[in-house]
Amino acid sequence: NAGVTQTPKFRVLKTGQSMTLLCAQDMNHEYMYWYRQDPGMGLRLIHYSVGEGTTAKGEVPDGYNVSRLKKQNFLLGLESAAPSQTSVYFCASSPGLAEGIAKNIQYFGAGTRLSVL
Amino acid sequence: AQSVTQLDSQVPVFEEAPVELRCNYSSSVSVYLFWYVQYPNQGLQLLLKYLSGSTLVKGINGFEAEFNKSQTSFHLRKPSVHISDTAEYFCAVTDRHSGGSNYKLTFGKGTLLTVNP
Repeated sequence: NAGVTQTPKFRVLKTGQSMTLLCAQDMNHEYMYWYRQDPGMGLRLIHYSVGEGTTAKGEVPDGYNVSRLKKQNFLLGLESAAPSQTSVYFCASSPGLAEGIAKNIQYFGAGTRLSVL
Repeated sequence: AQSVTQLDSQVPVFEEAPVELRCNYSSSVSVYLFWYVQYPNQGLQLLLKYLSGSTLVKGINGFEAEFNKSQTSFHLRKPSVHISDTAEYFCAVTDRHSGGSNYKLTFGKGTLLTVNP
């Protein structure tokens, strides 16, 4: 069972470079999320999507863009990377609210460790 | 708005000792509560959740948590820890009501549990 797969696992960028992180889920989940994890900060929501073709801003969206062209994929883009974006990025997915909020549990990928020099 | 406070950033214990990881939350509405565990270099896994019913919730790997509405707490406990329990533990909350932001988790900053031989 693949679950939630993130690529790449590691990446080093120079300031100003761009890149895209890919998240893929094979559970037919409606909702998908991108978080960043920084020491002592816990997880903070960057962007999320409640269905194919829809995206919305989370707690810390500045400097990031996202797209959900296919239900199973959620892309996170950095147009011009900055050192402040050095972090571990986690993608998650959940079934959605169709079967009730109690079943809307989030499942996480293994993370992408990004360093911006 | 919701918030989660994990009172201890680090908890060192010896193997076979009991442990309690503390979590307090604040919310203007009723909530669902979760504990996630993150083993080194891995993503987050759901440990247990409180949705309704009995306030004592049992999860995987022998962990349990008790929901205390009057104290707005959801402390995680294990009577005897193993070396393999060494990980970071995150408390999270989402509001119960349909609509709005009820599918978004708010995480605490995490507690690093280190089990020593």
